[in-house]
Amino acid sequence: QQQVKQSPQSLIVQKGGISIINCAYENTAFDYFPWYQQFPGKGPALLIAIRPDVSEKKEGRFTISFNKSAKQFSLHIMDSQPGDSATYFCAASNGAGNMLTFGGGTRLMVKP
Amino acid sequence: DAGITQSPRHKVTETGTPVTLRCHQTENHRYMYWYRQDPGHGLRLIHYSYGVKDTDKGEVSDGYSVSRSKTEDFLLTLESATSSQTSVYFCATRPGTGLYEKLFFGSGTQLSVL
Repeated sequence: QQQVKQSPQSLIVQKGGISIINCAYENTAFDYFPWYQQFPGKGPALLIAIRPDVSEKKEGRFTISFNKSAKQFSLHIMDSQPGDSATYFCAASNGAGNMLTFGGGTRLMVKP
Repeated sequence: DAGITQSPRHKVTETGTPVTLRCHQTENHRYMYWYRQDPGHGLRLIHYSYGVKDTDKGEVSDGYSVSRSKTEDFLLTLESATSSQTSVYFCATRPGTGLYEKLFFGSGTQLSVL
């Protein structure tokens, strides 16, 4: 069973547009929600992360929105650029064990 | 990639043969993980280690074994490879000095079992 469900599986956005990727989780014990970015031929790398004590976290063009009651969180990429083309994974864990459960991934393509 | 080297980078093998993948880290991180990446399934944890000779199973451990005899090396063994084990395998590490630490990933091993 997939404890973290991610959508969409693939996304095409025009340069300058907003990319939105959504994730939903089931385990209410989760208290850490990172997003990882993966370029072809490389391993994933941490992009941004949020704890549930805040509803939003912004780092540059990347923003995580978190809705604890709905058990959902999303990644927004503002002013999307071709260099943002990558696969994005949401994940969740409870910090005590820090065992990350990953979503299925979203392949983002930003067209020039 | 934070001093994480996976070898080999690519391997083609036949069903029924044993295969060992190696992860070597130079960061002195306590925790090491093996994940497999498959389309639509994201990254799934196979096994992890929390210290030398201390390992535990992950979500998809059947058909895999691991060993960690030194802090820097974590080996993943497929005792008898099957076609369902065709995948991209990633090693990851984290320091183990606090909560909510990020994972550092290697560049992956593409394994094809024919």
